[in-house]
Amino acid sequence: AQSVSQHNHHVILSEAASLELGCNYSYGGTVNLFWYVQYPGQHLQLLLKYFSGDPLVKGIKGFEAEFIKSKFSFNLRKPSVQWSDTAEYFCAVNADDKIIFGKGTRLHILP
Amino acid sequence: DAGITQSPRHKVTETGTPVTLRCHQTENHRYMYWYRQDPGHGLRLIHYSYGVKDTDKGEVSDGYSVSRSKTEDFLLTLESATSSQTSVYFCAISPGQGAATNEKLFFGSGTQLSVL
Repeated sequence: AQSVSQHNHHVILSEAASLELGCNYSYGGTVNLFWYVQYPGQHLQLLLKYFSGDPLVKGIKGFEAEFIKSKFSFNLRKPSVQWSDTAEYFCAVNADDKIIFGKGTRLHILP
Repeated sequence: DAGITQSPRHKVTETGTPVTLRCHQTENHRYMYWYRQDPGHGLRLIHYSYGVKDTDKGEVSDGYSVSRSKTEDFLLTLESATSSQTSVYFCAISPGQGAATNEKLFFGSGTQLSVL
């Protein structure tokens, strides 16, 4: 069965710092990969997705992620975070019709 | 926002009672999902549907059943509610799988369920 592991449960950064959130998945076949964000009091929204092709994908709000197949990883990055990026971030994998989420990373940006 | 309506928005019930949550979509999307969200656990897939009358189990399906008799409606039933099923339940829909269908989950606003 597929699974998703997010290494950081809670991250605190200052504004303008660089961000990298780790995500590893477990599945032997072809996968589609996603990062979603949940702002306080809201439901999840898609940040970016990878299906095939260029392993470096760019999403909304300056986020990007790199798919490294050999490491089963899909880490999320942003070069300079803003206070408005405070939210919970979820990595997800679609394999065999099931979309499975990681446990999430709470990101807190200090102004 | 995608046309997804979850009902009820809030529900308080007692242990042992059956509870049905409804997800209604107006997008004609093929895939529908039920997740529960709990602190420290993220979103966990309960059941999903890939078409009318086509459903399958997710990660945490015990104690839950689903039905999809029409494209637009996906019902989640807690057969005999327990306190461990207190959670926020999200319905999500997707047009399909992979790049060809522009796969993406659209989420409903959630149902806060409390089982006392």
